[in-house]
Amino acid sequence: AQSVTQLGSHVSVSEGALVLLRCNYSSSVPPYLFWYVQYPNQGLQLLLKYTTGATLVKGINGFEAEFKKSETSFHLTKPSAHMSDAAEYFCAAVDGGYQKVTFGTGTKLQVIP
Amino acid sequence: KAGVTQTPRYLIKTRGQQVTLSCSPISGHRSVSWYQQTPGQGLQFLFEYFSETQRNKGNFPGRFSGRQFSNSRSEMNVSTLELGDSALYLCASSLDADRGTGIQYFGAGTRLSVL
Repeated sequence: AQSVTQLGSHVSVSEGALVLLRCNYSSSVPPYLFWYVQYPNQGLQLLLKYTTGATLVKGINGFEAEFKKSETSFHLTKPSAHMSDAAEYFCAAVDGGYQKVTFGTGTKLQVIP
Repeated sequence: KAGVTQTPRYLIKTRGQQVTLSCSPISGHRSVSWYQQTPGQGLQFLFEYFSETQRNKGNFPGRFSGRQFSNSRSEMNVSTLELGDSALYLCASSLDADRGTGIQYFGAGTRLSVL
């Protein structure tokens, strides 16, 4: 069964600093990969997705993620953190052909002014 | 275009009761998935409905059930509520073309508190 691991349940960065949120998946077959963001009392919003093709994926709000098959990783980055980036971020994966999505445990990002 | 609508947003029930949650997908989306989100277990897949049929199911007891109507609206039912059922229940919908890719759009959720 697919599993998704997010390293660090809480990450703090200063405003303007690099954001790096880590995600590793377990499948031997590269799955479809996603990053979602959740603001308090809201549902999940899709930040970006990797299905096939280019391994560097750009998403909304200046975020991007790189799929590295050799490392089974899909880390999320943003060059310069903004206060509005404070939220919880979820990495997710789905094995092709199914709609059952496996989520990581989430990383809460705190941005310090 | 309206997003995924979940009603009610908040619900308080007592142990032993049953509850029904509703989800209206984005217009044109026929796939609806349900997830339970708790601080301890994170986000867990409950089930997916497509064209009124349950297509996938997660590892939840039979107290959790769902259905989908011909207009793609979906309901989730939890019978004999337990304290541990307190959670945010999220619904997500997707296009036919996106089924199997995991691409889906989430509603704001229903916060269920069981006392």
